[in-house]
Amino acid sequence: DAGITQSPRYKITETGRQVTLMCHQTWSHSYMFWYRQDLGHGLRLIYYSAAADITDKGEVPDGYVVSRSKTENFPLTLESATRSQTSVYFCASSESLGRNNYGYTFGSGTRLTVV
Amino acid sequence: TQLLEQSPQFLSIQEGENLTVYCNSSSVFSSLQWYRQEPGEGPVLLVTVVTGGEVKKLKRLTFQFGDARKDSSLHITAAQPGDTGLYLCAAPRGYKYIFGTGTRLKVLA
Repeated sequence: DAGITQSPRYKITETGRQVTLMCHQTWSHSYMFWYRQDLGHGLRLIYYSAAADITDKGEVPDGYVVSRSKTENFPLTLESATRSQTSVYFCASSESLGRNNYGYTFGSGTRLTVV
Repeated sequence: TQLLEQSPQFLSIQEGENLTVYCNSSSVFSSLQWYRQEPGEGPVLLVTVVTGGEVKKLKRLTFQFGDARKDSSLHITAAQPGDTGLYLCAAPRGYKYIFGTGTRLKVLA
């Protein structure tokens, strides 16, 4: 089915380990985004990408790395996980931005716990 | 500082009641979106408003964009348990959207 798929849905990892969260979309949307959602903070942008090989930092990028070698994939890597990175992570994609934006399509999220 | 302030933060009402939630900012936006998020899922886009004063209806949901394009409201008529969820507003900032912290609505049967 077409859509945006995140994996894994749940992940528990230890402090200091590297973790990669996967995001795959089937619409060939140019724009892709990674958000984290925490109580009291809402959705905060980590990184975004306007096209393959074009990425930029969002509001809270420290401790995270992204890549986008193919339009359909946008993995997020936590280089050395910390407890403060325990959160729900959402990937989103969009066909366009600005006034003609059709909105983000979000994945179902990855719930990450760092112990 | 939260650019988009949503109120109330929490709302619990009985089935059949009406309610309004708000999204306010001191900034002017070219457009504003509303999303609904159900537990365990990502947010789903409900509507985009782009013109000051614009009103859009989606069944029992009525969305309004303020005349000055700084605020928006969502009114639900005769709420149902299926309306339960987190309602988020979002506005463009450069090449990305920022989100409010949301209104968590619970409709009791």
